[in-house]
Formats: sequence, C-alpha cells, structure tokens
Amino acid sequence: IAGITQAPTSQILAAGRRMTLRCTQDMRHNAMYWYRQDLGLGLRLIHYSNTAGTTGKGEVPDGYSVSRANTDDFPLTLASAVPSQTSVYFCASSTSGSNEQFFGPGTRLTVL
Amino acid sequence: GQNIDQPTEMTATEGAIVQINCTYQTSGFNGLFWYQQHAGEAPTFLSYNVLDGLEEKGRFSSFLSRSKGYSYLLLKELQMKDSASYLCAVMDSNYQLIWGAGTKLIIKP
Repeated sequence: IAGITQAPTSQILAAGRRMTLRCTQDMRHNAMYWYRQDLGLGLRLIHYSNTAGTTGKGEVPDGYSVSRANTDDFPLTLASAVPSQTSVYFCASSTSGSNEQFFGPGTRLTVL
Repeated sequence: GQNIDQPTEMTATEGAIVQINCTYQTSGFNGLFWYQQHAGEAPTFLSYNVLDGLEEKGRFSSFLSRSKGYSYLLLKELQMKDSASYLCAVMDSNYQLIWGAGTKLIIKP
C-alpha cells in the first residue's frame, strides 16, 4: 500500500450498532487525525494522535473513541451509532502536528 | 469563537483567472493552508502560508495578510479539471486545523 487507506469505503448501519472505521498509513507519519465532513460545514476534527500511544480530543469527540497502538493504524470506533453520525469520515496523517496533512479516500457512513 | 469565512460558490470561464478569498478569526495562528477537493474525493494539499506575502506554485498562488486575517488563492489559466471545492484552513495555537466550509468553483467553457 502507498499513502493512507481507509475501510470500509461505505457502510449502512442500524442505530445502536457498534462500528469501527479502519485507517492505515505506510508513510511513518507521527501524527494522525479523524475528521467528519458534512454538507455545508467545514471538516471537523473528532480525535487526533500526535504519536503512537497518545490520543487527544478534537472539536466533536462525543460518541467516538480512538486508539493508537502503533504508528501505522488509527481506528475510530462508534460505540452505539446514532443517525447524527451519518457523515463522510476522513482519516489524515502528517509528519508532525504543524505540517501538511495527507488524507485517506474517506468512508461514507449512513446510520438509519 | 473561531471562524473561517469563504464564499460558498464561484463561477469562472476556462482560461480566465479567479481569486478565492478567505477571512479568519482564530485563537492563535500557526499557518494557513489551502486544499483542493474534487467531488467524492479526499482533500489534497495545495499551499501553505505562514508569513505575509505571496507564494507562487505554477498556476496557483496564495497570499496572506496576518494583520487583516485574510488570504486568497489565485488560480490562473483555468482548466476544466480545476472545477472542485477549495478549502481554507488555519492552524490555531493548539496546532489544530480549523476549516472553512469550502468554495465550490465551477468552470464554464
């Protein structure tokens, strides 16, 4: 693989179900991020990780959790999905917190 | 609060020049980024400004005035493939990116 991959590409999920969105990068970037993008709104940061073993909350963290067990992987978990979590989710990475971010192809999630 | 403003939509003609403006109010400033996003795709990096002035990169240029909280992206010799959304983002004092809603640019032949 080259760059950042995300899985699944799209998913339809029943409300109340648990879901994990996967993100893997092979660029050895220290920092990783999860954003959601909704029509008419800018990208909003959900959670971030400046380095393996550390995570932090962004602008809209409620209902989401993350882990960073190693440099390459940064999964995002919805413990109990709700319809307001219907969105396009982008994972991104950067060499450090102050540099340009590279984005994965996104996951389109629909919660019914 | 933190705020990034940019026009929702702009239309321009193939071969022409277009300027997309961005104004911002953020808690701290550690640089301004412009990204391009084609419909259904991921954002891709275009430019970064941290000092006042103009940064030129081929057909694209980006300008920053920190005292005015203002930036613009200038696209020259427009091509049909430039039809996309252009996202302005400011890195705040916590090194988090604050994003504008994006400007959808429509190029007409």
